[in-house]
Amino acid sequence: GQNIDQPTEMTATEGAIVQINCTYQTSGFNGLFWYQQHAGEAPTFLSYNVLDGLEEKGRFSSFLSRSKGYSYLLLKELQMKDSASYLCAVLDSNYQLIWGAGTKLIIKP
Amino acid sequence: GAVVSQHPSWVICKSGTSVKIECRSLDFQATTMFWYRQFPKQSLMLMATSNEGSKATYEQGVEKDKFLINHASLTLSTLTVTSAHPEDSSFYICSARRGWEVGGYNEQFFGPGTRLTVL
Repeated sequence: GQNIDQPTEMTATEGAIVQINCTYQTSGFNGLFWYQQHAGEAPTFLSYNVLDGLEEKGRFSSFLSRSKGYSYLLLKELQMKDSASYLCAVLDSNYQLIWGAGTKLIIKP
Repeated sequence: GAVVSQHPSWVICKSGTSVKIECRSLDFQATTMFWYRQFPKQSLMLMATSNEGSKATYEQGVEKDKFLINHASLTLSTLTVTSAHPEDSSFYICSARRGWEVGGYNEQFFGPGTRLTVL
């Protein structure tokens, strides 16, 4: 079966750095997405990785290792507004998005 | 950027009534639209995939006669929850995908979601 694992909840301090991990086992791989979702809102796109390595975009970076079935989202200089759920999703061989359950990130002052 | 709208944002209805939710891609043509449902503190659950002009493909466990999907044009898809019941209360989100772009990737653009409450 297809499976995406990410921690349920994480807590970090404002101004700090946090890394949210995602491991996946899917039938085929056509890329991995990270989305941010604030409570009561729809997800918003953060990043897309299809090749191994690190993609940096401002305070957010995303890393992918296809051989390990592993990705992480790195958030730097955390701000209170970063409190949200972060969803990892993999595009499988049928180009369907397989979603993780999401990681709720709590930022404390 | 690509914008997807949903209407209504929220709706409250009585049990047994039908509710229609519209999803529109405002500045691009969406070859494929997706309908998701999300219960509190849970991840997105794909309900169905629809391509313009053809019947929707429903995920296992989703009743196609209850959740009617019409993808009438490249910019509009509708989800009708027929004979809604309290257990259908949820956050319904649509997303739209453009056709393949040269060098591009398969990003889905999400609508803002519709919160349905069935009394």
